Amino acid sequence: DQQVKQNSPSLSVQEGRISILNCDYTNSMFDYFLWYKKYPAEGPTFLISISSIKDKNEDGRFTVFLNKSAKHLSLHIVPSQPGDSAVYFCAAPPRGGSEKLVFGKGTKLTVNP
Amino acid sequence: NAGVMQNPRHLVRRRGQEARLRCSPMKGHSHVYWYRQLPEEGLKFMVYLQKENIIDESGMPKERFSAEFPKEGPSILRIQQVVRGDSAAYFCASSQTSGRSSYNEQFFGPGTRLTVL
Repeated sequence: DQQVKQNSPSLSVQEGRISILNCDYTNSMFDYFLWYKKYPAEGPTFLISISSIKDKNEDGRFTVFLNKSAKHLSLHIVPSQPGDSAVYFCAAPPRGGSEKLVFGKGTKLTVNP
Repeated sequence: NAGVMQNPRHLVRRRGQEARLRCSPMKGHSHVYWYRQLPEEGLKFMVYLQKENIIDESGMPKERFSAEFPKEGPSILRIQQVVRGDSAAYFCASSQTSGRSSYNEQFFGPGTRLTVL
């Protein structure tokens, strides 16, 4: 039973344009959501998070939007750069348990020069 | 300040052998998490440990898998009698505290890629 879903396995955008990565969740038992970025042969690195009491969080070129009614969040990267090419994972810790993270399957972003 | 260390980075085992994966958390971190990533999948939680204690092992297979985080030394994920389905990337993460009032970032190691022949 996948609680966090990323339905797009890949996304390709042109350098300088906006990248939008999407994530859906199936229940409301999350207090915050996180995005991780992963390069090949490396571990995931934390990118940005958002609390469930907010609808937007911004950090430089990265903005995460949360739509609680739709159980949907998105990561916007603008402008996209070739170095942003990586796999992006949406993750969340279920409320009431340990701080384990539930991950989506990831979206592979390719930014073309 | 060194990050999370994992070794070996690559491990090849034949069916039936044992695999031992080691993880040294970041300095000052006392919480360790193990995740497994199968091909084309996201990371799946396996176990959460503090020093000398298993806090949550809800993601661990019931047989052949065990984990420890001793008072001294790295955390160890042990897989006995490996099978081909155990082939995956195993990631360790560490965090500083487990307070629930806000998010405590988990820092990931580079992973150990296990291949079972």
